[in-house]
This record gives sequence, structure tokens and C-alpha cells, in this order.
Amino acid sequence: GAVVSQHPSWVICKSGTSVKIECRSLDFQATTMFWYRQFPKQSLMLMATSNEGSKATYEQGVEKDKFLINHASLTLSTLTVTSAHPEDSSFYICSAPGLAGFNEQFFGPGTRLTVL
Amino acid sequence: RKEVEQDPGPFNVPEGATVAFNCTYSNSASQSFFWYRQDCRKEPKLLMSVYSSGNEDGRFTAQLNRASQYISLLIRDSKLSDSATYLCVVTRGYQKVTFGTGTKLQVIP
Repeated sequence: GAVVSQHPSWVICKSGTSVKIECRSLDFQATTMFWYRQFPKQSLMLMATSNEGSKATYEQGVEKDKFLINHASLTLSTLTVTSAHPEDSSFYICSAPGLAGFNEQFFGPGTRLTVL
Repeated sequence: RKEVEQDPGPFNVPEGATVAFNCTYSNSASQSFFWYRQDCRKEPKLLMSVYSSGNEDGRFTAQLNRASQYISLLIRDSKLSDSATYLCVVTRGYQKVTFGTGTKLQVIP
């Protein structure tokens, strides 16, 4: 089946630094990718929808200037957490839909971010 | 009220038992429904879609009740490998996706 990769799988950084997370669709093209965040014992929360060739769409309450999304190609979307703070520590997961829409959603393995 | 609600559990059941999870959703305009499975610190994986007519996949049966706005998942003959968190997912349109907080299942030998 289709595969979505994420890099890095985990990252630890100091407060105030920026962290970039990559999401790649390995054997299919994805004009749309989704970015989720999951805090411990909480549900996945959709942060934003990444659109190839246009601006990302952010969910209410998600700061677009803090979470920069770039959908550089049909197989790559990046999420940059700028000026990270400890409260940004979370599990970030991307996904890409297949031809059947959400019913065929392929999730990346996730990136665990810890901000000290 | 949360848009999608699940009993967080944990549900501790012995091997071979039958266990059922419910999930309620608040928006009547919701269109598609899914059950996902998430193992600890891993990404969610689609378990099955949920239809009004009900659907079955081996030991797993999912049901949708639109009138009462809830979906259910039944697991028969539980295996140790079924231990995971089960996420209820409701979508409204292509991009409006809401995950439940998940129900944790622990199958005990």
C-alpha cells in the first residue's frame, strides 16, 4: 500500500529554536496533506491542511506564523515549528489521502517533539 | 460538548471475551465514519469504515446509528494483539475531520 514517511521521528530542541518536520508520500503524489498534533492522552487534532501550490489552511486556534507549512512538491510537505516552547512538545503526524478521499488516508509514523 | 465523544476506558477484558465500544457525535451533518486503531506512540491505522447497514470484518463489527448519532465497534473473541487504543473518526466534507479521544483496550491473558 501507499507509504508516507516523516523525518525526523523524534527531536529534542531548546526553547526558542525552530524545528522542521518533513512529510513525504513515497510512491504516490499528494496535492493535499494534513498535519495533526496529539498531546498525551488526547485525540489527534487537525492543525492545518497543506495544499501543493497554494497557502495552507489552518484550523481555528492554530497560529499560522508559528506553524509554517510549505508544500513544496507533490510528494513533500514541511511543518516548521518556529520559536518552539515547551508547550509545543507533542506528537506531530501528517497524513495524505488516497484516491478514495479520507477513507484512504495514509498516516506518517509521526514525529515526537520535545522542547526543553 | 465535544464533537466526538468516546469512553476513554481502559477496558480490561480477558482473552476470548467480546467487547463493545460506543462513540457519539454531535453534528448531524457528519458524513463519514471510521474506526482507527492506534498503538502506543504509533500512527493511527484504519480498522474499518462504518456504514448504516453495518459492516463486518472477521471478528470486528461496526455499526452506525444516524438517528441517535452514535457508532459502535464490537470485537469478538478478543486477542492479546487487539490491545490498543481505538479511535472513532467522523468527517464532514473532505477536510473537516474530527478524531475522538480514543478508547483504550487491554486484553488480559
